[in-house]
Amino acid sequence: GENVEQHPSTLSVQEGDSAVIKCTYSDSASNYFPWYKQELGKGPQLIIDIRSNVGEKKDQRIAVTLNKTAKHFSLHITETQPEDSAVYFCAASRTGGGNKLTFGTGTQLKVEL
Amino acid sequence: DTAVSQTPKYLVTQMGNDKSIKCEQNLGHDTMYWYKQDSKKFLKIMFSYNNKELIINETVPNRFSPKSPDKAHLNLHINSLELGDSAVYFCASSQIMGSGANVLTFGAGSRLTVL
Repeated sequence: GENVEQHPSTLSVQEGDSAVIKCTYSDSASNYFPWYKQELGKGPQLIIDIRSNVGEKKDQRIAVTLNKTAKHFSLHITETQPEDSAVYFCAASRTGGGNKLTFGTGTQLKVEL
Repeated sequence: DTAVSQTPKYLVTQMGNDKSIKCEQNLGHDTMYWYKQDSKKFLKIMFSYNNKELIINETVPNRFSPKSPDKAHLNLHINSLELGDSAVYFCASSQIMGSGANVLTFGAGSRLTVL
């Protein structure tokens, strides 16, 4: 089955700096890679996703890059703000097989003032 | 209106008891899930139902029994609770997009504490 590794497990940045979270996946058939943000006491919420036919996608201050050959993808947050503090999860799935989404182990991001 | 709602939000119980967590979604999605999040924040899928049919059943003890009376509801019943069952349980629903993307909408979670 799919295995998704995520690094770092914790990340602390100063407000205004950039944050990068990296993930690798094992199943070369995976073709969908979303990122979820989980705020304290809430369920994870989709913030951005990328399909395998695209190398990069951007939405305001967040961007995701995908390297299919190396089987890794990354989340980039620029100009971080205190409200970006949360746990971020990467995930991977492939079409079919119930479209099971396998999550990474999570990154606790803390944006300090 | 809450898209995916779970009850109860908190559940404290003794070892050996039986408890249920209920989930309802009003998004019209065909697929519903139960995920378990442990103290280290790991999110692990337990079950997935599509139109009331079980499609994913990970290696979960058979003390856990999901039930889907209709595609808008997916309940989780746990028998003979053990200390290791303490976790936050998340219900989610999804609809496969035209692009093939499987976008999940999660509930707020149900924190189960077994004493």
